[in-house]
Amino acid sequence: AQRVTQPEKLLSVFKGAPVELKCNYSYSGSPELFWYVQYSRQRLQLLLRHISRESIKGFTADLNKGETSFHLKKPFAQEEDSAMYYCAPLYYNTDKLIFGTGTRLQVFP
Amino acid sequence: GAGVSQSPRYKVAKRGQDVALRCDPISGHVSLFWYQQALGQGPEFLTYFQNEAQLDKSGLPSDRFFAERPEGSVSTLKIQRTQQEDSAVYLCASSSGIGPYEQYFGPGTRLTVT
Repeated sequence: AQRVTQPEKLLSVFKGAPVELKCNYSYSGSPELFWYVQYSRQRLQLLLRHISRESIKGFTADLNKGETSFHLKKPFAQEEDSAMYYCAPLYYNTDKLIFGTGTRLQVFP
Repeated sequence: GAGVSQSPRYKVAKRGQDVALRCDPISGHVSLFWYQQALGQGPEFLTYFQNEAQLDKSGLPSDRFFAERPEGSVSTLKIQRTQQEDSAVYLCASSSGIGPYEQYFGPGTRLTVT
């Protein structure tokens, strides 16, 4: 079965500290990898995707096929980064996203 | 422009009642997805449409769940004889293409079965 593991339910840091949200996925073909974010009282939205190789709001994510990981990183966290983050691979043969259980990031001033 | 909309936003049903949840995708979007999100969990896939064709319904938990998209735009998720375990947020998402396109999510319908 296709699985996504986000080991941390909650990650708390102070403003300006580096952040790494972990994501490991089960291997089944070559999934495309996404990170979605949900800010308080807002809908789920795309943060970044591997295929674009871009940095969004200072976040980057590196795909490590050997470790089947797609960890999300930001060197200096900001208070506005506080949100729920979901890692979600998409398997080409299904078009569906498989979401992890999410990591709540809290950034304190 | 208008995003994905869902109605109602909140629904309380007595156990055994039937409910219908509506999703209006972004105009022109080919793909439409339904997800179920239980409290404290990530969204779980229910079903997927490409235009009016339901290509994957592997995530529907039982035959009490039924989804349709008859004209390839608006979609309805129907749950018959609701049970307490059906209580969750039901999310609809649409995307403009087939494959690894961004999925745009609606605000969700929070269903509470009492």
